[in-house]
Amino acid sequence: DTAVSQTPKYLVTQMGNDKSIKCEQNLGHDTMYWYKQDSKKFLKIMFSYNNKELIINETVPNRFSPKSPDKAHLNLHINSLELGDSAVYFCASSQVRQGVGELFFGEGSRLTVL
Amino acid sequence: SQQGEEDPQALSIQEGENATMNCSYKTSINNLQWYRQNSGRGLVHLILIRSNEREKHSGRLRVTLDTSKKSSSLLITASRAADTASYFCATRDFGNEKLTFGTGTRLTIIP
Repeated sequence: DTAVSQTPKYLVTQMGNDKSIKCEQNLGHDTMYWYKQDSKKFLKIMFSYNNKELIINETVPNRFSPKSPDKAHLNLHINSLELGDSAVYFCASSQVRQGVGELFFGEGSRLTVL
Repeated sequence: SQQGEEDPQALSIQEGENATMNCSYKTSINNLQWYRQNSGRGLVHLILIRSNEREKHSGRLRVTLDTSKKSSSLLITASRAADTASYFCATRDFGNEKLTFGTGTRLTIIP
């Protein structure tokens, strides 16, 4: 069973379009994350939710809107896509106790904006 | 911004040799973690070391942490071709849910 699954794996779209990436975890974790990995492999956190509540919102354009319908799901919707949004987006989950907890990552969703 | 700077950026060694990667960070941390990323895949957790620990082992992995120098190292002994991957350190500050990743070291094991 896949612990953290995200769909789609690949997205190719035109500038200006809107797209969504879905993520689900079956680990029973309370916290979920979205990370963006650019072409140089830099991995930067975008958002984090704990039990459906937004707890981390980095300086991300408001074209990016996360939604967590329940603690097992965290989706990412992107409006008005730009060339610079091309990257691999990773969903992750963790169960953090007193600051200690490892992240479990999905396989990534590669977004290409043309 | 990236919390950790990793050194070297890229490393190529012969199979069977040991590989050492270093990570430096800037803040006071609760713990430091190392992850591996195979090409085209997600990151996989390898090992976690808490701020009050100095060394930790897991199989062929050895991690050290020097909080006075704000640095950590990951040693992979008796490397195998399957160890070819990118390795990232990540730090979690006290009272912070955020795990901040370093810039990564790309390790290539030559058979």
